[in-house]
Amino acid sequence: AQSVTQPDIHITVSEGASLELRCNYSYGATPYLFWYVQSPGQGLQLLLKYFSGDTLVQGIKGFEAEFKRSQSSFNLRKPSVHWSDAAEYFCAVGAVAGFQKLVFGTGTRLLVSP
Amino acid sequence: DTEVTQTPKHLVMGMTNKKSLKCEQHMGHRAMYWYKQKAKKPPELMFVYSYEKLSINESVPSRFSPECPNSSLLNLHLHALQPEDSALYLCASSYSGTIEGETQYFGPGTRLLVL
Repeated sequence: AQSVTQPDIHITVSEGASLELRCNYSYGATPYLFWYVQSPGQGLQLLLKYFSGDTLVQGIKGFEAEFKRSQSSFNLRKPSVHWSDAAEYFCAVGAVAGFQKLVFGTGTRLLVSP
Repeated sequence: DTEVTQTPKHLVMGMTNKKSLKCEQHMGHRAMYWYKQKAKKPPELMFVYSYEKLSINESVPSRFSPECPNSSLLNLHLHALQPEDSALYLCASSYSGTIEGETQYFGPGTRLLVL
């Protein structure tokens, strides 16, 4: 069965510092991987996605993620965090079993300190 | 345009009320989804419609009744809810619901409080 692990429940980063959010997945075939961001009380916004090809994926708002098959990881990075990046971040793997389904990790809450 | 809209934004209802949540998309997508999200938890899939047919019901109680009048609209009818049903209800859409790796686009959600 597919699963996603986000080992960090909370992360605090100083504004202007770099960020890396960890995501590990378990999936038997080629994974389709997504990062979504959710501000408090809001819906989920797609940051980026990996289907195939280049393992370094660029997304919106200056985010990027690197797919590493050998480590079953898809970590999200940003070189310089802004206060507006404070939110909940969800990693997800897309799976098809007669229908398209997203399996989400438990999320990582990013706090940005001044 | 990758917008999914949901109404209302907030809803308070009693346990004997009947209410409906609405979701709309104009991206030409043929798959639409309902998710339930409790505080500090990831979204949990409730229902999937693909080509206006119910594809998945993730063992959701019958007090939640989905409806897909056409490929652009998705409703969630609520009746006799319990306080534990209070949550953020998210709608999403994707191209067809049957192709690997489809991107799901989410609406802003309806915050439901059951008293």
